Amino acid sequence: QQPVQSPQAVILREGEDAVINCSSSKALYSVHWYRQKHGEAPVFLMILLKGGEQKGHEKISASFNEKKQQSSLYLTASQLSYSGTYFCGTIGGSQGNLIFGKGTKLSVKP
Amino acid sequence: GAGVSQTPSNKVTEKGKYVELRCDPISGHTALYWYRQSLGQGPEFLIYFQGTGAADDSGLPNDRFFAVRPEGSVSTLKIQRTERGDSAVYLCASSLFGGATGELFFGEGSRLTVL
Repeated sequence: QQPVQSPQAVILREGEDAVINCSSSKALYSVHWYRQKHGEAPVFLMILLKGGEQKGHEKISASFNEKKQQSSLYLTASQLSYSGTYFCGTIGGSQGNLIFGKGTKLSVKP
Repeated sequence: GAGVSQTPSNKVTEKGKYVELRCDPISGHTALYWYRQSLGQGPEFLIYFQGTGAADDSGLPNDRFFAVRPEGSVSTLKIQRTERGDSAVYLCASSLFGGATGELFFGEGSRLTVL
């Protein structure tokens, strides 16, 4: 089951904050976040395991609410380099394939 | 190189032809994934290998698509009787162990165009 991401697109000014949401209709074991710049391969940002732990990566952090089957990615004080498409990927069990959402396109303007 | 390598980077073929796409994962990575990505869409799962065996091939769209990983390293995605709808970027990724906690390292992809 493909996770649902929202919003589909965001336009920010440099320094502004953004939140990207990812939700699933089925129980999740973990949530992965990746960023893909135009014409490039997706690059790993972070993994969150069930347990609600919040993780951080510089000014990008994320949370995972296992009960609600949702994860959110928080981008603080956005930089031009944050522009790209963000994908969440979900896995239903400890083993198995990673299913990606359709992505959220983030554009950061000067 | 240290990363995931995919060849060819671009492939143009005619409808009905046979195509092979190759993926050379990071050395020592046991898990290997194939995804397909169309413009403006997320990566669409095709198949996942643990070692030499296909742990999950539920994403292969039909029996024209087949993938192998005979020695647990290099993998080949094979597409028979290509159709225009097969045009996409085919991404390969590898992971040290795979599963829920494994970070995926993606290759640059093979862009397939079926005329």
